Amino acid sequence: ILNVEQSPQSLHVQEGDSTNFTCSFPSSNFYALHWYRWETAKSPEALFVMTLNGDEKKKGRISATLNTKEGYSYLYIKGSQPEDSATYLCASNSGNTPLVFGKGTRLSVIA
Amino acid sequence: NAGVMQNPRHLVRRRGQEARLRCSPMKGHSHVYWYRQLPEEGLKFMVYLQKENIIDESGMPKERFSAEFPKEGPSILRIQQVVRGDSAAYFCASSRGQGNTYEQYFGPGTRLTVT
Repeated sequence: ILNVEQSPQSLHVQEGDSTNFTCSFPSSNFYALHWYRWETAKSPEALFVMTLNGDEKKKGRISATLNTKEGYSYLYIKGSQPEDSATYLCASNSGNTPLVFGKGTRLSVIA
Repeated sequence: NAGVMQNPRHLVRRRGQEARLRCSPMKGHSHVYWYRQLPEEGLKFMVYLQKENIIDESGMPKERFSAEFPKEGPSILRIQQVVRGDSAAYFCASSRGQGNTYEQYFGPGTRLTVT
């Protein structure tokens, strides 16, 4: 059974700090890696879908990298703002199986 | 451009009753996914449907749970004879293409409480 792990479980940073967190997944038969941002009382919002080893994607101050050979992805937030406070989920699958979600990293940005 | 709609947002059922959860995908999306989030757990895949077809139901409990996505109307997740363990948040998501290389757009969820 595919297991997706995220670390840390939670994170508190000061406004303006840059931060990053990790998603680990099995590298065999890798198919796709998704990152979502989930604010309290809202729906998960898609950030990135990544499929290629070495892929890097960016959206504003948020970027992500992918290493399919070693089975990890990093999500980076540059210059964190209070509105970045949310739970960041990653999900992966192998072959064309359903997405398996990690439990998320809960980010709190303190003004 | 309306997002994914789910209703009801909150549903309370007594043990043994039926629960019907509805999901209307984004306009132009014909692929629907249902996920369940149990307390203190992550999102777990339940079923993937395309119009009138169940593509993958590997995450669905074998009994009491069923899903459909008719040609017209919303997708329905149906839970018969609910038990306390069914209390959870149920999310649906839609995508414009098949497979997991497309972004999934999530609805706000239905929180089911079984008393």
